[in-house]
Amino acid sequence: SQKIEQNSEALNIQEGKTATLTCNYTNYSPAYLQWYRQDPGRGPVFLLLIRENEKEKRKERLKVTFDTTLKQSLFHITASQPADSATYLCALDNYGQNFVFGPGTRLSVLP
Amino acid sequence: NAGVTQTPKFRILKIGQSMTLQCTQDMNHNYMYWYRQDPGMGLKLIYYSVGAGITDKGEVPNGYNVSRSTTEDFPLRLELAAPSQTSVYFCASRPRQGGYEQFFGPGTRLTVL
Repeated sequence: SQKIEQNSEALNIQEGKTATLTCNYTNYSPAYLQWYRQDPGRGPVFLLLIRENEKEKRKERLKVTFDTTLKQSLFHITASQPADSATYLCALDNYGQNFVFGPGTRLSVLP
Repeated sequence: NAGVTQTPKFRILKIGQSMTLQCTQDMNHNYMYWYRQDPGMGLKLIYYSVGAGITDKGEVPNGYNVSRSTTEDFPLRLELAAPSQTSVYFCASRPRQGGYEQFFGPGTRLTVL
């Protein structure tokens, strides 16, 4: 059956460290994968997109990797700050029509 | 641009009542989506539309209906509310097929008692 998993429900890290979040999937063949940030009581906000033929994408302190052989994407936040505390969702393209979202990882950056 | 707007923000329904959640976008996007999000969970797709007059079921369509008579509006209808429909509902849009980000509305928090 098709499944998307994100490494843990919650992740606590110290300010200044690098946060690494994982998105694993089975029985999908996405052409691209997206990462979103969601703050409590708000809708998700788009962060980054990576295509199946791209290994890595960067935007400021954010980095995403995409390994279609392992069926995994890693999302890194370097020099993390308390303001980075939020829930992060990965989303897979589902045959170009719609998206399938993972359950999310709640990140807490401790000062 | 206002982006994606949703009304109402909050609503409490009794079992068996009906209501329509409104969603409007002013970005001229072809694709629109309805999701529900239960506490601590990810987003589940209810219905989506690739253009005016075209709608299709997502992962959890039972108990809901949609219509898309214009590019801007994509209302979601609950006919006979059930406690299992207690959730936060998000509407989203994107311009077209392909690697384009989705723009989300602020959500509607619905409680069915």
